[in-house]
Amino acid sequence: VQLVQSGAEVKKPGASVKVSCKASGYTFSTYAIHWVRQAPGQRLEWMGWINTGSGKTKYSQNFQGRVTITRDTSASTAYMELSSLRSEDTAVYYCARVNKWELTPSDYYYMDVWGKGTTVTVSS
Amino acid sequence: DIQMTQSPSSLSASVGDRVTITCRASQSISRYLNWFQQKPGKAPKLLIYAASSLQSGVPSRFNGSGSGTDFTLTIGSLQPEDFATYCCQQTYTTPWTFGQGTKVEIK
Repeated sequence: VQLVQSGAEVKKPGASVKVSCKASGYTFSTYAIHWVRQAPGQRLEWMGWINTGSGKTKYSQNFQGRVTITRDTSASTAYMELSSLRSEDTAVYYCARVNKWELTPSDYYYMDVWGKGTTVTVSS
Repeated sequence: DIQMTQSPSSLSASVGDRVTITCRASQSISRYLNWFQQKPGKAPKLLIYAASSLQSGVPSRFNGSGSGTDFTLTIGSLQPEDFATYCCQQTYTTPWTFGQGTKVEIK
């Protein structure tokens, strides 16, 4: 079971970046994929997620509509696109599979498989 | 957003020591709390989910406890490979949020 992310990117302010996350070793559409980033010296920051079966998404309001998560089930791949890049978006971007522990009446979610991360550098 | 605050931010310990890290949520999150270990340049690794359930393959010296707003991660006997940064995460509500991390260093 693994998630393989695309390579490092260098972008100019105002540009967009699209990072891919290819899953293998399990049925892609069975587990949600979430995206998390970590700026240098900062805590992890959750960006959003996609239901890989239905394609439904939810995003953090902290990105003010700049993030879009999609998936291609035929390729077992999820994508995260971040637009209107600024220097503060310089970070390592991770995708993570989310598993669920069903303990009636609650469902507990946890990120059990992570990609190795994609470094995105925004610089003029 | 739910704020997650860890203490201490860093600590120094020796191999064999018992180490305790705390995580406090700004509101009650029941048991929707996970713990991760992260080493420099690496992705986080899941240790504990649902506050106290040990992830498969994680050594039993890692123990999680707590509910509501206060949680604890205990490492029973620190091993050389345990020197890393540990962070908590709440999954009670989106946006899921993380603690700032606790760096465990060699004394």
